Amino acid sequence: RKEVEQDPGPFNVPEGATVAFNCTYSNSASQSFFWYRQDCRKEPKLLMSVYSSGNEDGRFTAQLNRASQYISLLIRDSKLSDSATYLCVVKGNYGGSQGNLIFGKGTKLSVKP
Amino acid sequence: GAVVSQHPSWVICKSGTSVKIECRSLDFQATTMFWYRQFPKQSLMLMATSNEGSKATYEQGVEKDKFLINHASLTLSTLTVTSAHPEDSSFYICSAFLRTEREQYFGPGTRLTVT
Repeated sequence: RKEVEQDPGPFNVPEGATVAFNCTYSNSASQSFFWYRQDCRKEPKLLMSVYSSGNEDGRFTAQLNRASQYISLLIRDSKLSDSATYLCVVKGNYGGSQGNLIFGKGTKLSVKP
Repeated sequence: GAVVSQHPSWVICKSGTSVKIECRSLDFQATTMFWYRQFPKQSLMLMATSNEGSKATYEQGVEKDKFLINHASLTLSTLTVTSAHPEDSSFYICSAFLRTEREQYFGPGTRLTVT
């Protein structure tokens, strides 16, 4: 089983749509959780951290369910500029003091006019 | 936020040659830097953890004699791909760990094509 699994995608949605990404992780010792965004041929950029209580940043809402080892990202009112690959990332405390980042394969989102 | 640079941004080399990629933290000191590799439509895979002043720690399946890592200063780590083969063609990304924020900051990546 892969350490971090995501919806395969791609997701093709019209502008203004709401889109949800799902992610599961296998290591229950994982400590921190993130969503990154990666544009084509670019480095990943941190979109937001994910907390157990759920957190929101504008049109983006992230949620974490530790019991089921599940993470989600919801994008409301999607914009053309949201088109990118969204990476689910997990950090454990099992590889040195800072832990390793484990990346999912990513889900590609295309927002169409 | 913290800035990390990589050089070169892309490189084409012939099979059998060696290529050096530099990763620099521009406005902070990083005792730890990470090297990742990403093949098309695949996830970023950690190759090795580079620690300033000591030997790098390689992930399982990554040949340490092929991918030489040197972290000679607190702002520079280098990855040398030795005797490159076409299957080494990939997107190589480094990140630098900013201890005060407990965050990794990524470089812009280096696209390597081996012909």
